[in-house]
Formats: sequence, structure tokens, C-alpha cells
Amino acid sequence: GIQVEQSPPDLILQEGANSTLRCNFSDSVNNLQWFHQNPWGQLINLFYIPSGTKQNGRLSATTVATERYSLLYISSSQTTDSGVYFCAVGTSGTYKYIFGTGTRLKVLA
Amino acid sequence: ETGVTQSPTHLIKTRGQQVTLRCSSQSGHNTVSWYQQALGQGPQFIFQYYREEENGRGNFPPRFSGLQFPNYSSELNVNALELDDSALYLCASSLAFSRWRNTEAFFGQGTRLTVV
Repeated sequence: GIQVEQSPPDLILQEGANSTLRCNFSDSVNNLQWFHQNPWGQLINLFYIPSGTKQNGRLSATTVATERYSLLYISSSQTTDSGVYFCAVGTSGTYKYIFGTGTRLKVLA
Repeated sequence: ETGVTQSPTHLIKTRGQQVTLRCSSQSGHNTVSWYQQALGQGPQFIFQYYREEENGRGNFPPRFSGLQFPNYSSELNVNALELDDSALYLCASSLAFSRWRNTEAFFGQGTRLTVV
């Protein structure tokens, strides 16, 4: 089955710093989402981005489906950005999302 | 528009017991998926219901079963609980246009199950 790997696994930033999170996948996908899991376990939708580029405030994402990767950019990080970031992919003809290994982000004040 | 809600939020059960977790899907959605997230891991797909029928299953034993109701809410039932079933159980709803084409998924806050 498809493999989804995220990097880096852990990231510590000072408040105000920028960061790039990467999601690599081993096969073609037709769905891709980025989530932020807060300390209470809630998965919060950041982007639904099977291809192309989207921006939402301080966050933006790019998926290059032909090269099998997606990037999540966080600018001017805040302590509330702390948590685990997951990418999840869906492939053609299937009905489930496969989650990546996650990036654990800690933003220090 | 109401989001995805799950109940209960926390639950403690004894090994061998049975448990039922509930999920109300987002308004207008017809598909519900259940995921299990062990501590420190990413969510793992359990199964999905599309228009009240099971539409696929992950690598989980038959003691994990489910239902979807006409209003598209759903239940996850786990029989003969084992210690390894301790996890966060997440429900996601989405609007699918066919059995094989899913779209953006929205997750509930989860039910944290502890088996002792």
C-alpha cells in the first residue's frame, strides 16, 4: 500500500519564526489534506489540497502531485501553532485516508 | 451548520467488556469513517459507511463493528475489549459523490477509551 512519510518528525521554533513541513507519498493520490492536532486530540482541517497552492492567513500549502510531495508553510509562528501536524492522502478507487507519521511542532514564547 | 460531534469524550472500560461510541456527522454529509489513534501514532482507518452500508474496512478484527443510521449518524461497537484497544477513536464525516470517490473529511473531537 501507499506509504506516507513526514519530515521533520520534531521541530522546535521560537515564536515568530517560519517553518516548512514536508509530506512525501509513494504513489499517486487524488485526495490530500493537512491537519493540525491540538493537545486535546482534535484534528483541525488546515487544507484540502490534492494539487496546487492555497493560502490561509499565516499558513500556506503546495502539493506537487506529479512529484509525490506536499509542503505546509507556517510563517510568523505562534505558541498556539504547537501540536502535531498530519498529512493524509487518499488514492483513486479507495475510500480511506492514510495518515503520515506526523510532525510534532513546539513553538516557544 | 453543525460540525461532527462524538460521545462520550472519555470512557474507562474493563477488559472483556463491550463499548459503543457514537458520532453525529456534519449536516449534509453522507459518509462516516472511523479511525483509531494509539498514543504517539497517526490515525488508522477502521471502516467507513456510505449511505448506511459498510464501504470498506481496515485491518481490524470482526469484534470492531459499526452502523450508520438514516440520518447518517454512526456507532462504533467494540466487543471483548483488550488492553491494546486503549486509544483515541476519531470519527470523520464527508460528502461522497459515489462509493469510490471521497472528498474532504471533517473530524470530531474524538473519544478517548481506556481499557483496564
